[in-house]
Amino acid sequence: EDKVVQSPLSLVVHEGDTVTLNCSYEVTNFRSLLWYKQEKKAPTFLFMLTSSGIEKKSGRLSSILDKKELFSILNITATQTGDSAIYLCAVYNNAGNMLTFGGGTRLMVKP
Amino acid sequence: DGGITQSPKYLFRKEGQNVTLSCEQNLNHDAMYWYRQDPGQGLRLIYYSQIVNDFQKGDIAEGYSVSREKKESFPLTVTSAQKNPTAFYLCASKQGLTEAFFGQGTRLTVV
Repeated sequence: EDKVVQSPLSLVVHEGDTVTLNCSYEVTNFRSLLWYKQEKKAPTFLFMLTSSGIEKKSGRLSSILDKKELFSILNITATQTGDSAIYLCAVYNNAGNMLTFGGGTRLMVKP
Repeated sequence: DGGITQSPKYLFRKEGQNVTLSCEQNLNHDAMYWYRQDPGQGLRLIYYSQIVNDFQKGDIAEGYSVSREKKESFPLTVTSAQKNPTAFYLCASKQGLTEAFFGQGTRLTVV
């Protein structure tokens, strides 16, 4: 059974701090790893990572995948209160039909 | 606008009742998914469908049923056999190996 584990479970920081969220996985025939942000209802897509060692970046957010060690990290620099959300990690198997999610990391950024 | 529409946003069910959650997409996506989210947790896969008239069980299918008679529609029925149905239900769709897009969710409460 495919498995995705995220840590920490929750995190409280102050504006301006940098945070690192972790995602490890055990997937039969790994294809790609995705990060989503869920503020209230619908998760919104952040990144898809397929190749090891290549950083994806969007503004203050960046993510990298290590296929050898089976994990990914999501970094957020200069955090803002608007970054408060649940961050979800998910993986595709090679067939691309199953998208398995981790338990999420709840991030709270205080002013 | 293209997107995924879930209805209703809130649903109350009495003990022993079956209820059906609607999910419609106009993105022309082949694959559709139903996830369940409990408070403070990640997403767990209930059912998914890769093409019309075909669907597969996910990790927590017991007490749920689906149909896929049309490409754009993937309704989920929560049956009386589901002993703890109170949760947030998310529908998603995707095409190929791209990211999945989510609806705004339905919050189901047993009264």
